[in-house]
Amino acid sequence: DAMVIQNPRYQVTQFGKPVTLSCSQTLNHNVMYWYQQKSSQAPKLLFHYYDKDFNNEADTPDNFQSRRPNTSFCFLDIRSPGLGDAAMYLCATSRTAGAGHNEQFFGPGTRLTVL
Amino acid sequence: QQPVQSPQAVILREGEDAVINCSSSKALYSVHWYRQKHGEAPVFLMILLKGGEQKGHEKISASFNEKKQQSSLYLTASQLSYSGTYFCGTSGSARQLTFGSGTQLTVLP
Repeated sequence: DAMVIQNPRYQVTQFGKPVTLSCSQTLNHNVMYWYQQKSSQAPKLLFHYYDKDFNNEADTPDNFQSRRPNTSFCFLDIRSPGLGDAAMYLCATSRTAGAGHNEQFFGPGTRLTVL
Repeated sequence: QQPVQSPQAVILREGEDAVINCSSSKALYSVHWYRQKHGEAPVFLMILLKGGEQKGHEKISASFNEKKQQSSLYLTASQLSYSGTYFCGTSGSARQLTFGSGTQLTVLP
């Protein structure tokens, strides 16, 4: 089945220790998104890729970076995690041609704990 | 700007109906509805495009009032499986969605 896969499902890191979360998709969608979701809150968009075109949200901290080496994979790097970065990180994909008007397919998420 | 959802939470009995509202201060092109169960990823329910289109999905339907920049999600004869947090996501002409604060729905037996 075509899907969005995130690894790992649970990640524990130490304060200030860099961490990388990964997302892969078999849907061949051009657009990939990274969201941060804290407890009882809405998913908050961090950035998205439209093919190789990177789009950063204005309020995304510099501590967060992303890479998309090919269509299938996308990575979220947190350079120096703080306690406030503990959250669920959701990856999503959508088709091209007006992605705001197309369904987004979400992965199961990676729950990040910062000690 | 984040769309506003109401109510924030609702508790109902199996078989009862519920309405969840989503409103935006910005002109909208589309409204998406997602349901998220605790600890899981959001699951797509439906998308509505501007034009006041109403859509249905089994006993869950939605409307979109473009002039008022509002959408409503209607859950008819609720089932236990409907429990979860419902998010609306809105988009103007941009590619990305902005999600509302969510409505926590609890269906009791």
